Amino acid sequence: GENVEQHPSTLSVQEGDSAVIKCTYSDSASNYFPWYKQELGKGPQLIIDIRSNVGEKKDQRIAVTLNKTAKHFSLHITETQPEDSAVYFCAARRGGIKAAGNKLTFGGGTRVLVKP
Amino acid sequence: GAVVSQHPSWVICKSGTSVKIECRSLDFQATTMFWYRQFPKQSLMLMATSNEGSKATYEQGVEKDKFLINHASLTLSTLTVTSAHPEDSSFYICSARDQDGYTFGSGTRLTVV
Repeated sequence: GENVEQHPSTLSVQEGDSAVIKCTYSDSASNYFPWYKQELGKGPQLIIDIRSNVGEKKDQRIAVTLNKTAKHFSLHITETQPEDSAVYFCAARRGGIKAAGNKLTFGGGTRVLVKP
Repeated sequence: GAVVSQHPSWVICKSGTSVKIECRSLDFQATTMFWYRQFPKQSLMLMATSNEGSKATYEQGVEKDKFLINHASLTLSTLTVTSAHPEDSSFYICSARDQDGYTFGSGTRLTVV
């Protein structure tokens, strides 16, 4: 099955600096790659996603890049703010119409701390 | 955007009792819902995939008789933890597949005493 690895596990940045989180996946049939932000005691919230037919997507201070050949994708947060402090998860989903192909496989998570 | 409502947000129960957690898609129909379990400082672990009108598909190692899943309608899935024990204490999160991706509930903190 799919395996998603995420690095680093913790990331401390100064307010205003950029943060980069990287994920690799194993299943070349994966075609959907979302990123979630989880605050303490809450469920994950989608912050950005990318599909395998594009290489980059940007939404204000957040961007995601995808390298299908190398099977890795990255989250970039620019001009970080204290409210960006949270745990971030990457995920991958295998394509296909079968039920097993619909589930997300998550990375281990990155705890981001933005220091004011 | 899509909204998934999960209740209760927290529950404390005595060992040996059962607890039901509800997951509702408020503004869309969800033929597929997912149930996750999350331990402190760990990632989400998929427990089962809930399909409307059919039996749930459980991940390897998840006891189907202990974690009962019912998806009787297109907007509601329930997870019942039967005969709960302290080791079942965890954060349970549901998710529903919508037309754009996956929306998560706010989670349920279960504490078994």
